[in-house]
Amino acid sequence: GQNIDQPTEMTATEGAIVQINCTYQTSGFNGLFWYQQHAGEAPTFLSYNVLDGLEEKGRFSSFLSRSKGYSYLLLKELQMKDSASYLCAVRDPAGTGGYNKLIFGAGTRLAVHP
Amino acid sequence: DAMVIQNPRYQVTQFGKPVTLSCSQTLNHNVMYWYQQKSSQAPKLLFHYYDKDFNNEADTPDNFQSRRPNTSFCFLDIRSPGLGDAAMYLCATTSAGGGPKETQYFGPGTRLLVL
Repeated sequence: GQNIDQPTEMTATEGAIVQINCTYQTSGFNGLFWYQQHAGEAPTFLSYNVLDGLEEKGRFSSFLSRSKGYSYLLLKELQMKDSASYLCAVRDPAGTGGYNKLIFGAGTRLAVHP
Repeated sequence: DAMVIQNPRYQVTQFGKPVTLSCSQTLNHNVMYWYQQKSSQAPKLLFHYYDKDFNNEADTPDNFQSRRPNTSFCFLDIRSPGLGDAAMYLCATTSAGGGPKETQYFGPGTRLLVL
């Protein structure tokens, strides 16, 4: 089966650091994505990991451990506009054709307070 | 510059009345996806196309169908919408090839309300 788990909700203070965890059990694995989704809007790409380790991109960093089926998204210097849902998604081969499909977690709703 | 466009942004239909949602893209991507997302839930993949090769997920209801007449356009048809089909419908595209290039780009979504 395909299973991706993330906490449902988190709260944090403006200027602080927050870590959002994701664990996965999927039949295939070809990389892990983090997307940001504001209420009523489409998901937008934040980060991508396919090898173990940390990828840093400005205020956002993402970590992957393939052996543990674990990833986290780290957000630094939180701003009010970071209040959104953060979706963890595993890329899984979609069969012939050499392309992939994404299996999403339900998302973590982050509320940033002043 | 709009890249993945979905029309309409909001759609109201009646129980059992067929409805069509549309998606177009200016990225010339060969792969297109349709997702259904209900409130506070994960986007659920319904269909995907590699060029004109169509694939539906095993648990996609028969009530849902899709068409891709050319590279740029893709349609989602709901033959007889039920109350449980009210959701946000997301279209996404990608260029097959793996690596960061295969990021999926999402349209703004169509929110469907069934009365």
